[in-house]
Amino acid sequence: GAGVSQSPSNKVTEKGKDVELRCDPISGHTALYWYRQSLGQGLEFLIYFQGNSAPDKSGLPSDRFSAERTGGSVSTLTIQRTQQEDSAVYLCASSLGALGQETQYFGPGTRLLVL
Amino acid sequence: AQSVTQLGSHVSVSEGALVLLRCNYSSSVPPYLFWYVQYPNQGLQLLLKYTSAATLVKGINGFEAEFKKSETSFHLTKPSAHMSDAAEYFCAVSDNTGNQFYFGTGTSLTVIP
Repeated sequence: GAGVSQSPSNKVTEKGKDVELRCDPISGHTALYWYRQSLGQGLEFLIYFQGNSAPDKSGLPSDRFSAERTGGSVSTLTIQRTQQEDSAVYLCASSLGALGQETQYFGPGTRLLVL
Repeated sequence: AQSVTQLGSHVSVSEGALVLLRCNYSSSVPPYLFWYVQYPNQGLQLLLKYTSAATLVKGINGFEAEFKKSETSFHLTKPSAHMSDAAEYFCAVSDNTGNQFYFGTGTSLTVIP
């Protein structure tokens, strides 16, 4: 079956613009995660969705970042008034359930460059 | 609170030599531990995971890792490196809530022919 897909694969934007990043999880996966991978850094947890529950937003770096998940499936990560330090690869992952032992399946990422 | 420390951001080994990538964790509860691999221009994929069953875990491509509670470690090993093993390796820890995963900063493995 299809894996996790993300779009766009690359995004170049100007400082101050808003961007939207999309994630399509694997069908049937109830948990969805967003991470940020900056050069030379590990994966930084951003936000987590489990089914229709309120998301865990504790990892969002600022109020310019927000995310939603419609119908328990597709998710959109929005960055408002982008800054150069937002440049990174944004990764989405999904898992079958919310238990900590579940394997996460990652998408290919969206590479964001803020000029 | 949980965290993961990967010692050595870059590791180089000769083809055929032992691969050892180090991971130490900090967790206030029994952890679940993972190794993920990111090959060049590819997404992350699971290499292996520890979920409180056997302490020696075998993964794909000949890799294995041993959970050592006394040392709070989960080092990744492979007896003989292959050129195709060149990649970025990430250790991760989670608890039983699944709310958050904590990833290490990664170790870049280079295999020298």
